[in-house]
Amino acid sequence: GNSVTQMEGPVTLSEEAFLTINCTYTATGYPSLFWYVQYPGEGLQLLLKATKADDKGSNKGFEATYRKETTSFHLEKGSVQVSDSAVYFCALSDPTGGFKTIFGAGTRLFVKA
Amino acid sequence: DSGVTQTPKHLITATGQRVTLRCSPRSGDLSVYWYQQSLDQGLQFLIQYYNGEERAKGNILERFSAQQFPDLHSELNLSSLELGDSALYFCASSVAGERPNEQFFGPGTRLTVL
Repeated sequence: GNSVTQMEGPVTLSEEAFLTINCTYTATGYPSLFWYVQYPGEGLQLLLKATKADDKGSNKGFEATYRKETTSFHLEKGSVQVSDSAVYFCALSDPTGGFKTIFGAGTRLFVKA
Repeated sequence: DSGVTQTPKHLITATGQRVTLRCSPRSGDLSVYWYQQSLDQGLQFLIQYYNGEERAKGNILERFSAQQFPDLHSELNLSSLELGDSALYFCASSVAGERPNEQFFGPGTRLTVL
C-alpha cells in the first residue's frame, strides 16, 4: 500500500542555518506530493505541493522537488528563521487510492535565535 | 484562515460519555476528512465523506461514527469515551476527485477525557 516516511525529529537548528527534512514515499500510482506545516496551537496548512515528476514546489523560501527515480520529496530552506519552528508533515495523495491522503509522522523543527 | 470551521474548540468530559464534534467545510468543497492527532500516534486518518457518502475509512474505532449532512457539514460522534481518546481532532476539506486534492484543515477540537 501507499506510505510516507520522513526523518524523525526533533531537528534543532540555529537561525540562518540550512534545513533539509527528508521524505520518501511508496505509491501504486502517480501521486501528488505535499508538505504541510503545523505551527504551535494551530491546524495543518499547506506549505507547498508538486503534482508530477520533476516538479518543484516552493513557498516562503521552502522548496521540494518531486523525484520519481528516488521516490523522494525532501524539504529544503536555505536560511531558517525562529518563526519556522513548527511540525512539518510530508504527504501524498494517490488518485488510484481515491485521492486518500497519507501523511508522514511529522518532523518537529526548533530554530534557536 | 483556511475557511474550515470546527466547534467546539475545547471539550472536557468524563470516561463513558458521548460527544459530538462539528465541522463546516470550505465553501464549494464536497469532501470532508476527520483526523485524530495524539502525542504518541501522530496524525491518524479516521474517515472521509464525499457529498454525503462515506468514501474511505481509516483507523476509526467502532465507538466512533461520522456523517455528512446535505448542507455538507459533518459531525464526528465519539461514544463510550476512554482516557486514550484524549487528543486533537481535526477536520479537513477538499474539492475531492481532482488532482492534486490538497486539503484545508480546521483549527481542531481538543478533547480531554478525565
